[in-house]
Amino acid sequence: AQTVTQSQPEMSVQEAETVTLSCTYDTSESDYYLFWYKQPPSRQMILVIRQEAYKQQNATENRFSVNFQKAAKSFSLKISDSQLGDAAMYFCAYETFVQGAQKLVFGQGTRLTINP
Amino acid sequence: DSGVTQTPKHLITATGQRVTLRCSPRSGDLSVYWYQQSLDQGLQFLIQYYNGEERAKGNILERFSAQQFPDLHSELNLSSLELGDSALYFCASSVGGLGYEDTQYFGPGTRLTVL
Repeated sequence: AQTVTQSQPEMSVQEAETVTLSCTYDTSESDYYLFWYKQPPSRQMILVIRQEAYKQQNATENRFSVNFQKAAKSFSLKISDSQLGDAAMYFCAYETFVQGAQKLVFGQGTRLTINP
Repeated sequence: DSGVTQTPKHLITATGQRVTLRCSPRSGDLSVYWYQQSLDQGLQFLIQYYNGEERAKGNILERFSAQQFPDLHSELNLSSLELGDSALYFCASSVGGLGYEDTQYFGPGTRLTVL
């Protein structure tokens, strides 16, 4: 079974600084997808970034980028120029697609605090 | 706003009761997913429907059931409720049926409290 591990329950960073959130996963599959979702105090789950395992190039969305290391099964999220609005729980997720059946497996989350 | 709607936002009920949570997917999406977020279990996948048919099943209890209707909205039925069923229940949707993975977008969730 696939598992996702986020080893940092909490992280904090100064506003405008850069922070990296860690995620590792375990799978025997070769084709899969990885995501970072953000959950602010409103509890809404917001997609931050997505990475296809067959792509070697790391995904980037504005201030958010990932470091995807397939061999090491590592998928970290880097947030540059941190803003107060980035404060949230961040969840790493792994998704498989088998004959139309899809599901997300989530890590336990990292709570990110932004210090002004 | 993801375009996925869920009702009600909050639900308070007693042990042993039955409740129904409702989800309307984004326009054009055929797949609907249900997830449970609790303090002790984290975010867990419950079930997926595609165009009215069950496609994948996760850690869904036998007391729970779901369905997707012809208009593509979905309902999650929770019966014989226990204190441990208190959680945030999310619905997500995606286009589905593309022959490959596509991104799931989440609704705002329904917070269920069982007293």
